[in-house]
Amino acid sequence: GAVVSQHPSWVICKSGTSVKIECRSLDFQATTMFWYRQFPKQSLMLMATSNEGSKATYEQGVEKDKFLINHASLTLSTLTVTSAHPEDSSFYICSANPSGSSSQRQFFGPGTRLTVL
Amino acid sequence: SQQGEEDPQALSIQEGENATMNCSYKTSINNLQWYRQNSGRGLVHLILIRSNEREKHSGRLRVTLDTSKKSSSLLITASRAADTASYFCATDAAGNTGKLIFGQGTTLQVKP
Repeated sequence: GAVVSQHPSWVICKSGTSVKIECRSLDFQATTMFWYRQFPKQSLMLMATSNEGSKATYEQGVEKDKFLINHASLTLSTLTVTSAHPEDSSFYICSANPSGSSSQRQFFGPGTRLTVL
Repeated sequence: SQQGEEDPQALSIQEGENATMNCSYKTSINNLQWYRQNSGRGLVHLILIRSNEREKHSGRLRVTLDTSKKSSSLLITASRAADTASYFCATDAAGNTGKLIFGQGTTLQVKP
């Protein structure tokens, strides 16, 4: 099956620093990837749609200048949390579906746990 | 937010019993998916049911979909302690964007 990886799996940073999270599709290409955020004991909330070669589209209430998304290739999307603060501490998960696939299933990465001190 | 609702929010049963979780959603859908998440871990895909399907089985899992009521249920039969996890439904809105809207989740505890 299709595999999606994320790096790092966890990161601890100081308040005010920026953190980059990578999402890679290992055995397929994806023109679109999605980024979700999950706070403790809550569900996943869609943050943004990452589009290869064009700007990401953000969900209502998500600051595009704070959560920078770059989708420079068909197998890699990055999410950069800029000037991170403790309230940004969360579990960040990406998903992707093979381009041109008839399957409607999304494949999820294992997630990245961000802790901002 | 377009998040759907799941009930119950928490469920505790004995090993061997069946567990039923319900999910309601708000918009027209292409499909509905169920996921499992162990504490602090990633998502495990369980079943995808399309909008034109009414029931689907996978091993000990049975999923139903009622589009007229905008609801779905997940039944786990003969539960095991290893089934202890959080379960989420997620809908892919009509238009096939790939975006998933997740329900609030049901936390299932199966006692050995």
